[in-house]
Amino acid sequence: DSGVTQTPKHLITATGQRVTLRCSPRSGDLSVYWYQQSLDQGLQFLIQYYNGEERAKGNILERFSAQQFPDLHSELNLSSLELGDSALYFCASSSEGLGTGELFFGEGSRLTVL
Amino acid sequence: GEDVEQSLFLSVREGDSSVINCTYTDSSSTYLYWYKQEPGAGLQLLTYIFSNMDMKQDQRLTVLLNKKDKHLSLRIADTQTGDSAIYFCAERGHNNDMRFGAGTRLTVKP
Repeated sequence: DSGVTQTPKHLITATGQRVTLRCSPRSGDLSVYWYQQSLDQGLQFLIQYYNGEERAKGNILERFSAQQFPDLHSELNLSSLELGDSALYFCASSSEGLGTGELFFGEGSRLTVL
Repeated sequence: GEDVEQSLFLSVREGDSSVINCTYTDSSSTYLYWYKQEPGAGLQLLTYIFSNMDMKQDQRLTVLLNKKDKHLSLRIADTQTGDSAIYFCAERGHNNDMRFGAGTRLTVKP
């Protein structure tokens, strides 16, 4: 158990819809990362937050947005969903600057868009 | 190049050694990591190496780092069927960003 919790584990929805994925980081970790893993594109970095502020942005579509709340949990919002958005979405947390800087991953939220 | 690169597939026989290679991008990277992803699960840290080291050994795992060529490798000795998984190389760059390779799918045949 990494200590990172993601909900929901599975989600099936239709094209054009909007979903919210939630992540609770490890206790004490200030940094949250979101990644998308699809079969043909490996692990794609979407966005990183640190203590409520956006720190880095990767290949995140304009239809997607995220935020980190004062209690440090984070949400990834995906809107106007397309078939190609079907993927496994991972959240990871890190203590940043302390220790080895490794990321601790949740088990992922599997999104299927029909 | 801009991406962390790994070969996508590796197949070995049980008991053989596996070597997974990675080329990373940032010569200033502080830490380099190997993560393992088993089917249906998230990524878990397998091992890491600090950039001032050339080699790190941890039981059946040996990590080699060639900073000149920006090349990282993971050797698994006496590979077992339980080692079948996807292995990701990752680097912590000088901007503190974390970049992952596409992952190498290791298949271990009995």
